[in-house]
Amino acid sequence: GQQLNQSPQSMFIQEGEDVSMNCTSSSIFNTWLWYKQDPGEGPVLLIALYKAGELTSNGRLTAQFGITRKDSFLNISASIPSDVGIYFCAGQYAGNNRKLIWGLGTSLAVNP
Amino acid sequence: DTEVTQTPKHLVMGMTNKKSLKCEQHMGHRAMYWYKQKAKKPPELMFVYSYEKLSINESVPSRFSPECPNSSLLNLHLHALQPEDSALYLCASSPTANSGNTIYFGEGSWLTVV
Repeated sequence: GQQLNQSPQSMFIQEGEDVSMNCTSSSIFNTWLWYKQDPGEGPVLLIALYKAGELTSNGRLTAQFGITRKDSFLNISASIPSDVGIYFCAGQYAGNNRKLIWGLGTSLAVNP
Repeated sequence: DTEVTQTPKHLVMGMTNKKSLKCEQHMGHRAMYWYKQKAKKPPELMFVYSYEKLSINESVPSRFSPECPNSSLLNLHLHALQPEDSALYLCASSPTANSGNTIYFGEGSWLTVV
């Protein structure tokens, strides 16, 4: 099925560093969602974006809905060990289309 | 903590067994979903229920049979599964099935088919 281009695929950083990841699509989306998944757990919603240009923060996390509606980024500031996990972006089309289109994930490792 | 509750957390079943996965949410959401997820891959949509009616079946084999007894419950009945069906099965819900509704996931049920 269709997937988003999510990068980077993996990151290994030092505690305290800032992190940035992004997703791009060839299609226009109505909604962008960012999830984090810990090993053995379900995805947990971090930030939901519903409007082009929207910039939303959740603690140390900041995400933006690209103005073209074809991209989104997620930034994590001052990373800590518990930020370790896989981060997925997901986009949703406008209208009555219920399907989420997923990125392949960014695996984040934080060295204390 | 997630408000979508899935049971069991882990399930091991033989290829001739019949078992069920259960999901419950009390957020008043009227859309519920089953996803399948393999290791290090994104979730793949299996079924969508909207107002207790099946609205999407993503060409899932008939050995997987979903059921929505009421607006809070969603089951996935399993029969004659194959080892390649081993995966994390995620239940999710959203206020409605329309776009613009955030989808919330449960913690998943780990299924191993032997």
